[in-house]
Amino acid sequence: EVQLVESGGGLVQPGGSLRLSCAASGFPFTSYWMNWVRQAPGKGLEWVANIKQDGSEKYYVDSVKGRFTISKDNAKNSLYLQMNSLKADDTAVYYCVTGSLKFWGQGTLVTVSS
Amino acid sequence: QTVVTQEPSFSVSPGGTVTLTCGLSSGSVSTSFSPNWYQQTPGQAPRTLIYSTNTRSSGVPDRFSGSILGNKAALTITGAQADDESDYYCVFYMGSGVWMFGGGTKLTVL
Repeated sequence: EVQLVESGGGLVQPGGSLRLSCAASGFPFTSYWMNWVRQAPGKGLEWVANIKQDGSEKYYVDSVKGRFTISKDNAKNSLYLQMNSLKADDTAVYYCVTGSLKFWGQGTLVTVSS
Repeated sequence: QTVVTQEPSFSVSPGGTVTLTCGLSSGSVSTSFSPNWYQQTPGQAPRTLIYSTNTRSSGVPDRFSGSILGNKAALTITGAQADDESDYYCVFYMGSGVWMFGGGTKLTVL
């Protein structure tokens, strides 16, 4: 059974940083692209970033380019999202999702507020 | 900037059939966009109903089906039930690693 468990969310001040983690199991993690998708309170879903199996390619939505960095550790079956220069607009539940957006974690809430 | 379009809201009677659509602000949708469909209830993570245009995820009833209708992707619910009342989202693969979601459709069953 595919399992994706996000962690690392919380309350952070504008301009601050946060690192999200996703522990994956139940599938060959090294063979999958991986994504982060977010959902602001009361809003729709927004794809944020993804990373190729070996980490050699990374793509981002324009609104996070230069501030967020996606990475993966295949030895630890883990996906990460380093978020810097956070803004109020980044407040959302962040979901870890497999490559074709088929399997989803339960999400972790990030709140950016003073 | 291309936008993925969905009906903001839709209503269906219990037992009825409804087709939700997902299009592009410019251009036509094809299977190359690999459309997926999700169902989401408040406070829950999205549940994948359909991936790659028309493949049902494990455990999804066969009253949910995906297709390309004209120039849009479509999700058809046949024999709607009360617990189908949810938000439904579609997503397209736009190429170069980028995915784009529609704004979602709020489905009411009454």
